[in-house]
Amino acid sequence: AQKVTQAQTEISVVEKEDVTLDCVYETRDTTYYLFWYKQPPSGELVFLIRRNSFDEQNEISGRYSWNFQKSTSSFNFTITASQVVDSAVYFCALSGRSKGSASKIIFGSGTRLSIRP
Amino acid sequence: EAQVTQNPRYLITVTGKKLTVTCSQNMNHEYMSWYRQDPGLGLRQIYYSMNVEVTDKGDVPEGYKVSRKEKRNFPLILESPSPNQTSLYFCASRLGQRGDQPQHFGDGTRLSIL
Repeated sequence: AQKVTQAQTEISVVEKEDVTLDCVYETRDTTYYLFWYKQPPSGELVFLIRRNSFDEQNEISGRYSWNFQKSTSSFNFTITASQVVDSAVYFCALSGRSKGSASKIIFGSGTRLSIRP
Repeated sequence: EAQVTQNPRYLITVTGKKLTVTCSQNMNHEYMSWYRQDPGLGLRQIYYSMNVEVTDKGDVPEGYKVSRKEKRNFPLILESPSPNQTSLYFCASRLGQRGDQPQHFGDGTRLSIL
């Protein structure tokens, strides 16, 4: 069975601090895909990044970076120099490659991030 | 503009009164899906559709129905709503059947069943 765990329910930091959101997953698929989505206070869901299981290269996009470690089944998300606009709920999600696991996408329970001015 | 459109955005109704939440996408996507979002539980998949006339259950299908008669539309039907279906619902679509494609989400429908 597939599972995604986001153990941090809520995080609150002061603006300009760095913050890391944890995501741990379980899957039996040998090929799978991991995603991060952002849900700002307005409520919509915004795609941030996708990582393939066969590509362990970390990725950086501006203040955002993602650390994928297959050995620990983790796909963590770091925001450097956080800003108030980063306040949102962040979801990690898992999908597979096989017909069954590609159609059922599993989301974590989300981490609510609050950035205080 | 490429988008997924859900209607209504908000609905308050009573137990047992049938309701339909519509979902339409203009991106010619094959795959569509419905989720409900509840505090502490994240998003849970209700039903999905790989293509026209092809639908299947997600993790929490009880009490819901769907249909996919046209590629662009994927309505969610609550035949006899109950208070435990009070939730925030999202419709999503993606290009095809491959798991590596990100989903595009609608803006959500907040349902309150009294």
